[in-house]
Amino acid sequence: DGGITQSPKYLFRKEGQNVTLSCEQNLNHDAMYWYRQDPGQGLRLIYYSQIVNDFQKGDIAEGYSVSREKKESFPLTVTSAQKNPTAFYLCASSIEAREDYGYTFGSGTRLTVV
Amino acid sequence: QQPVQSPQAVILREGEDAVINCSSSKALYSVHWYRQKHGEAPVFLMILLKGGEQKGHEKISASFNEKKQQSSLYLTASQLSYSGTYFCGTERTYNTDKLIFGTGTRLQVFP
Repeated sequence: DGGITQSPKYLFRKEGQNVTLSCEQNLNHDAMYWYRQDPGQGLRLIYYSQIVNDFQKGDIAEGYSVSREKKESFPLTVTSAQKNPTAFYLCASSIEAREDYGYTFGSGTRLTVV
Repeated sequence: QQPVQSPQAVILREGEDAVINCSSSKALYSVHWYRQKHGEAPVFLMILLKGGEQKGHEKISASFNEKKQQSSLYLTASQLSYSGTYFCGTERTYNTDKLIFGTGTRLQVFP
């Protein structure tokens, strides 16, 4: 079955470390997204990409970086510059023309700074 | 830019109805609705387009009032499985490339 795989499910990071969250999809979707979810704040957009080798900043990109070298993969790196990285991170994908289709989300990665 | 959802939380008994609203201060092209169970991925419910018709999905339906830039999600004869947090996501133009999500409405259905 097609879907989005995020790994790991839980991740612990020491302060000052960079960590990379994996997101892979086999839906042949063009667009991919990273959202951060904090209690009471909904989903906030970090980065998104419509095509390979191109991506745009979302509303809260500071302290994060991404790459899109393959259509199937959109990894997110949380750098040491991100002051409060503890959160639930969701990756999503969609087809380009979305008149009847929404986003497909992965099951998320819960990142905790220790 | 973030759409405003109301109410923030709803508590229901099985069989009762609920309405969740999503309002934007800007003109919208589309509104998406998603449901998220605790600790799980949000699941797409439906999309409403500017100029489009009210949509329905079993006992869950939604409307989009373009004049008010507001969408409403209607949950009829609620079931225990309807429990979760409901999010609306909005697009301001066709294929804007990104959705802006509201803060969510937590719905709890009790027997």
